[in-house]
Amino acid sequence: QKEVEQDPGPLSVPEGAIVSLNCTYSNSAFQYFMWYRQYSRKGPELLMYTYSSGNKEDGRFTAQVDKSSKYISLFIRDSQPSDSATYLCAMSVGGGATNKLIFGTGTLLAVQP
Amino acid sequence: GAVVSQHPSRVICKSGTSVKIECRSLDFQATTMFWYRQFPKKSLMLMATSNEGSKATYEQGVEKDKFLINHASLTLSTLTVTSAHPEDSSFYICSATTSDTGELFFGEGSRLTVL
Repeated sequence: QKEVEQDPGPLSVPEGAIVSLNCTYSNSAFQYFMWYRQYSRKGPELLMYTYSSGNKEDGRFTAQVDKSSKYISLFIRDSQPSDSATYLCAMSVGGGATNKLIFGTGTLLAVQP
Repeated sequence: GAVVSQHPSRVICKSGTSVKIECRSLDFQATTMFWYRQFPKKSLMLMATSNEGSKATYEQGVEKDKFLINHASLTLSTLTVTSAHPEDSSFYICSATTSDTGELFFGEGSRLTVL
């Protein structure tokens, strides 16, 4: 079993839709959870960073962590064509940037105008 | 935000040759740099962790003699793929951080194609 599972998609939605992206994981020691956005042929950029369980909101983006279910989500409200990218979840045991990140495979999202 | 630059962004080489990829932190000093490999529709896989002035720490299954990593200064780390073969064709991405509590910044990646 992979440590982090993520549906690779692709996921196609119309502009303005609410998008839900999810990851499950098996290692209960993970405490720090991140979502990265990666445009085609580019490096990942950090979108959201969450510690332990709970919700975090930043503009149109909301990250949720449910440690009891080992399940994390990223919601995108009022999705835009510019949101079209691959979204990677990542997690680590420790919180410092030198801690090893375990990534999901990424979900390819296409927002249709 | 901080900028991490990788060069070259794309490289095509013949089987058996060696290829060097550079990772530079342009506006900060990176005490730690990471090298990842990403296959299509696959996760980013950490290859090695590189601290300035010391030997890189490689992940299990990564051949250190094949993937030579040098972190000679606080702004530059290099990955050399030695005697490249077609199965080494991949997207190589570096990331850098200033400290163990700082944010991680990713480079734009280098696509290697070995013919």
